[in-house]
Amino acid sequence: KNQVEQSPQSLIILEGKNCTLQCNYTVSPFSNLRWYKQDTGRGPVSLTIMTFSENTKSNGRYTATLDADTKQSSLHITASQLSDSASYICVANDRGSTLGRLYFGRGTQLTVWP
Amino acid sequence: EADIYQTPRYLVIGTGKKITLECSQTMGHDKMYWYQQDPGMELHLIHYSYGVNSTEKGDLSSESTVSRIRTEHFPLTLESARPSHTSQYLCASSEPGQGAADTQYFGPGTRLTVL
Repeated sequence: KNQVEQSPQSLIILEGKNCTLQCNYTVSPFSNLRWYKQDTGRGPVSLTIMTFSENTKSNGRYTATLDADTKQSSLHITASQLSDSASYICVANDRGSTLGRLYFGRGTQLTVWP
Repeated sequence: EADIYQTPRYLVIGTGKKITLECSQTMGHDKMYWYQQDPGMELHLIHYSYGVNSTEKGDLSSESTVSRIRTEHFPLTLESARPSHTSQYLCASSEPGQGAADTQYFGPGTRLTVL
């Protein structure tokens, strides 16, 4: 069964600290993996997208890694800011159809405290 | 910031009413999508469209219907709202011609509550 699981479900850190969010996926055949940031009451915004041949991709203070062999990805946030408080969603894309079906995780709810 | 808009942002309505959730984008994207999301849960695809006059049902069965008469407009309609339809509805669009690696741009969502 194609699915995406994220951990932890929620995380609280202090401003300025680093954190790492985890994503395990079982999507096959695998095409690419995305990380989205979703602020409360808003739609998700894309942070990174990596194909199966890429190992890492950065977007400012966000760095995503991908291990296609173990089917794991992580999102590392450096020097957290209050504005980083949001839900971070991992999304895996298969190659099984023209649409390229997306499989969404439930997200990790990150709270950054001052 | 993506140019994709949804109205209304919040809607509280009684059972049995007909409602239409509006979604429009000004980016010229061919592909558009509707997702349903409950709190703390993953997004579920309920409808998608490859272009004008093209609509398909998604993974999650939904009593809603959609239409795509214009490229920029992808409204979702519920003929008779029920409390089980209470959820957040997210509209998205993606750039044409980039296959499975295209990035989806999401609207702000409509929070629907059916009493």
